[in-house]
Amino acid sequence: SQTIHQWPATLVQPVGSPLSLECTVEGTSNPNLYWYRQAAGRGLQLLFYSVGIGQISSEVPQNLSASRPQDRQFILSSKKLLLSDSGFYLCAWDPGSGNTIYFGEGSWLTVV
Amino acid sequence: TQLLEQSPQFLSIQEGENLTVYCNSSSVFSSLQWYRQEPGEGPVLLVTVVTGGEVKKLKRLTFQFGDARKDSSLHITAAQPGDTGLYLCAVAGGTSYGKLTFGQGTILTVHP
Repeated sequence: SQTIHQWPATLVQPVGSPLSLECTVEGTSNPNLYWYRQAAGRGLQLLFYSVGIGQISSEVPQNLSASRPQDRQFILSSKKLLLSDSGFYLCAWDPGSGNTIYFGEGSWLTVV
Repeated sequence: TQLLEQSPQFLSIQEGENLTVYCNSSSVFSSLQWYRQEPGEGPVLLVTVVTGGEVKKLKRLTFQFGDARKDSSLHITAAQPGDTGLYLCAVAGGTSYGKLTFGQGTILTVHP
């Protein structure tokens, strides 16, 4: 069966520090991968998506970047965090066919 | 302006009551999804509706897609405390199914 895992689950970082959130998917190959951000427990906003290794599309201008160094690995990064980067970050995947997307457990980021 | 407008934003009811959550838009969609999210976890897909006028039932939950495919509703009969959570509607865009646009969500609290 397929599983998705992201870490760390919680993170408290000072303003100006770097960030790295990792996400891996197991049990499937060539998934579409996504990073979403959720503020204040409300709607999710798509930040990045990837349809293959090294292929990253950004949906909104921001202080963050994403990379996909391996087929089932998706990384969200920042060189210098801002207070406004705080939020709940969710990694997700879909198999590229069908109509279901699966979300990871989420990572709470607090920038102080 | 939001592509998807959900109402109400907050709903606090007693166990056993019925409730309806709405998801409205001025745009026409080929499909619409409903998700439920518990605090600190990722959203979980409840249902996908694709046909105008379609009604789908999932135990005590009834989902309807508007005839014009611009709106949807979620009705819960005899709500239970376990129904507490954030309910999100979402629509897919582009060729990647997981590129979702979410409504702002309805926070439901069911008191025992």
